[in-house]
Amino acid sequence: GESVGLHLPTLSVQEGDNSIINCAYSNSASDYFIWYKQESGKGPQFIIDIRSNMDKRQGQRVTVLLNKTVKHLSLQIAATQPGDSAVYFCAENIGGSTLGRLYFGRGTQLTVWP
Amino acid sequence: KAGVTQTPRYLIKTRGQQVTLSCSPISGHRSVSWYQQTPGQGLQFLFEYFSETQRNKGNFPGRFSGRQFSNSRSEMNVSTLELGDSALYLCASSLFSGDSGNTIYFGEGSWLTVV
Repeated sequence: GESVGLHLPTLSVQEGDNSIINCAYSNSASDYFIWYKQESGKGPQFIIDIRSNMDKRQGQRVTVLLNKTVKHLSLQIAATQPGDSAVYFCAENIGGSTLGRLYFGRGTQLTVWP
Repeated sequence: KAGVTQTPRYLIKTRGQQVTLSCSPISGHRSVSWYQQTPGQGLQFLFEYFSETQRNKGNFPGRFSGRQFSNSRSEMNVSTLELGDSALYLCASSLFSGDSGNTIYFGEGSWLTVV
């Protein structure tokens, strides 16, 4: 399944399938990006991050891809599990005078069906 | 290692009252930031503190204020509460605010309901 976070805020996938969550960012000066997972009633949980000098970074079952040319970020989740059901946010850090500030996307609701 | 701790977790206030929320960052983290999360506006940055100094501030009215103590713990205060202040208030901490690329970790948040 594939979803553009800003335009299609929901994504439903079958357990075991791979999920792709997309995010478009607006500031070409952004140099650090983070994906967070937020379950109902909880705070955002760090998943994976990537700096602008990289195109790809892999974690456990997750991969983040960064395309600076089109200002696009994606999160790939392999073998999606019911426990992956949550809202996923991409966040960007511009750096400079706003080092400690993250700009968040609207989020994508991922639902995993057994 | 304990995560970011926020208190209280839930609270209900009346319009016009004020509220103080507390945040204890991850041990060793010196940067603390606050965010407001609502269904309509998503996650919005309030302010960030580092070494007891406010470094960044978001577009919120002056009713929203904060501070950081020498042990890096932080508090935020909202005065003259309005119904629209009902939200999840999230605190986040990171090791150092001198460079981007510092992983920012969030607490579970404080749920504020204004009636």
